[in-house]
Amino acid sequence: GEDVEQSLFLSVREGDSSVINCTYTDSSSTYLYWYKQEPGAGLQLLTYIFSNMDMKQDQRLTVLLNKKDKHLSLRIADTQTGDSAIYFCAEKDSSASKIIFGSGTRLSIRP
Amino acid sequence: DTAVSQTPKYLVTQMGNDKSIKCEQNLGHDTMYWYKQDSKKFLKIMFSYNNKELIINETVPNRFSPKSPDKAHLNLHINSLELGDSAVYFCASSQERPARQYFGPGTRLTVL
Repeated sequence: GEDVEQSLFLSVREGDSSVINCTYTDSSSTYLYWYKQEPGAGLQLLTYIFSNMDMKQDQRLTVLLNKKDKHLSLRIADTQTGDSAIYFCAEKDSSASKIIFGSGTRLSIRP
Repeated sequence: DTAVSQTPKYLVTQMGNDKSIKCEQNLGHDTMYWYKQDSKKFLKIMFSYNNKELIINETVPNRFSPKSPDKAHLNLHINSLELGDSAVYFCASSQERPARQYFGPGTRLTVL
C-alpha cells in the first residue's frame, strides 16, 4: 500500500534554513502537500506541488520534488520561532480517493 | 468566520460510555472527513463522506459510526468507548476529493 515517511524531529537555530524531508511510495501520486500543525490546533495547508513540477517557491518556503527518487522536501528560509510546529507531508493517492499523511516532523527552533 | 468547527473541544469520559463528536463546515464543500491523531501524532483517516454518502471507511471498529445529516455536517458517534480510543479527532472538508482539505481544531477525547 501507499506509504509516506518522514523523520520525527528537526532542530535548527533561529535564522538558519530548515529542510524537512519526506519519501513516498506511490509513483502515481498527482499532488503532494505540506501541512503545518501548531500546538493544540488543526492542520493548515502550507503549500502543495503538482507531480509534474520539480520546484515551487512561495516566499520563505521552497518545495523540491524528485519524482525519480520519490522524495519531497520543504525548505524554510530564515526560520523563526513562529515556525515551531509539526510539519506533515502528504500525498494524494493514485485512486484519488484520499490523502495519505506522513508521521509528521516536529521542528524546534534554538535561539 | 469559522470554516470547519467541531464540538466539543475536549471530551473526558469513562470506558464503556457512548459519545458523539459534531462537525460542521460552512465552506459549501461536498466532502467531509474524520481523522484520528494518536499520542505520537500519527494521523490516520477514518471516514470520508461525499454529498452525504460514505466513500471511505478505513479499518475502523464498528463501534465508530459516522452520520451525515446533510452536506455541511458529519458527526462521529462512538459506542462502548475503550482506553485506546483516547486521541485527538479531526474533522476536515474539501471541495473535491481529495483536494485541499480544511481541518477543524480537533476534539481531544480522553477515555478513563
